[in-house]
Order: sequence, then C-alpha cells, then structure tokens
Amino acid sequence: SQQGEEDPQALSIQEGENATMNCSYKTSINNLQWYRQNSGRGLVHLILIRSNEREKHSGRLRVTLDTSKKSSSLLITASRAADTASYFCAAFPSGSARQLTFGSGTQLTVLP
Amino acid sequence: NAGVTQTPKFQVLKTGQSMTLQCAQDMNHEYMSWYRQDPGMGLRLIHYSVGAGITDQGEVPNGYNVSRSTTEDFPLRLLSAAPSQTSVYFCASTLGGYGGYEQYFGPGTRLTVT
Repeated sequence: SQQGEEDPQALSIQEGENATMNCSYKTSINNLQWYRQNSGRGLVHLILIRSNEREKHSGRLRVTLDTSKKSSSLLITASRAADTASYFCAAFPSGSARQLTFGSGTQLTVLP
Repeated sequence: NAGVTQTPKFQVLKTGQSMTLQCAQDMNHEYMSWYRQDPGMGLRLIHYSVGAGITDQGEVPNGYNVSRSTTEDFPLRLLSAAPSQTSVYFCASTLGGYGGYEQYFGPGTRLTVT
C-alpha cells in the first residue's frame, strides 16, 4: 500500500503564480522526500526533510512537514513553464527496513 | 559519472517470454532498488538490495527475480512475462538507508507484454 498520497492529482496555473502540492502519509516516518518527474524521464530528487524538521527551503522550493497531521506540502514560488512535471512525495516509515514509499503524484502544468 | 544507467529503453515481449532488465551505477552506492510505475499509481517497489549479495522483496515482487553479485550491477529478471507486467521500470541507487539520502534514478525501461 502507498504511504504517501498527493493532493491535488492535477494542478494548472499561470506562469509566475505559486503552486502548492500536499502529501499525506499513514504512519510515523523518519524522513520525507519530494521528487520531480518530467514526462518520459526518471525521477529527480528535489528536497529531503527529516521528521524533526518543520520547514526547509531550496531555491524557489519550500517544503513543510507536520508530523502531528502526517502531512507535508511543497510550495513552488514564481512558477515557470519549465516547472511543468509530475511531483511525488516519498515517505520512509519509522522502523521499516529501507523501503521508501511513493505517492501517486501531482501533475503540475504551468501555462506560459 | 554516468549515474544510473538502464538498458534497454524499450522492450516488447510476448506472454511467457523471459528477459533481464539491466541496471548499473558508477557512484559506489550500496543501496539499489527496482520500481515499476503504472499510470496513476506512482512508483511501487519490486525488489531492493543493501549491498552485494543481499537482496530483499518489496511491495510487488511476484514474477520478478534479482541478484546482486557486484556493487555496480542490479539486474531484474522477468521469469515468464504477463500482460500485467506492462509498465515502466525504474532502477535507483542511494548512498544509504532509512530514507536519509536522495535516490538517483535511471531513465527507465518501457516494457510492453502482449
């Protein structure tokens, strides 16, 4: 069963707007990661947030983690057409042996 | 570094045929994994390895075998292909376990079983 579930499944915005994607997971976790996948390509790591962190930034990306609500969000500010991709969260459950579990993804379309 | 490489990029098999998907990495990563990606379902873990000679099952291991004789290579074998195995397969490697490190993904193999 999938640990992370993203919301919304699809998101369409105009260039320059901010995009927010949410991820919920089922059990307590060690870490949570976000990945991007361009059409027809492999996944590319964006950011990792540990269970004792609440917020992390990387360039135009901001990730938050709320362990009490078992949720995380990815904010992309000032979006560009090149940000068009699928975005996945991947949670690593506490106590598990090395199994990162991916959600089903959010398809982001940034319109020029 | 080439990173994670996968061959072939595309493959069509008939039901019942067998084949091996190749995966190699040149980053000296101990941990390697195989995932399949189906439309609308994200990635599901098939098998993984925490070092040469050590493999374990993931969420959807049935119909697949793996071995890890070297740190660099982690081939995935389909024993008797079925239409349900039509999918995109990704190999990934990472420096360490417990989700504490980023995973590096290969470009994928798109497999169709007829």
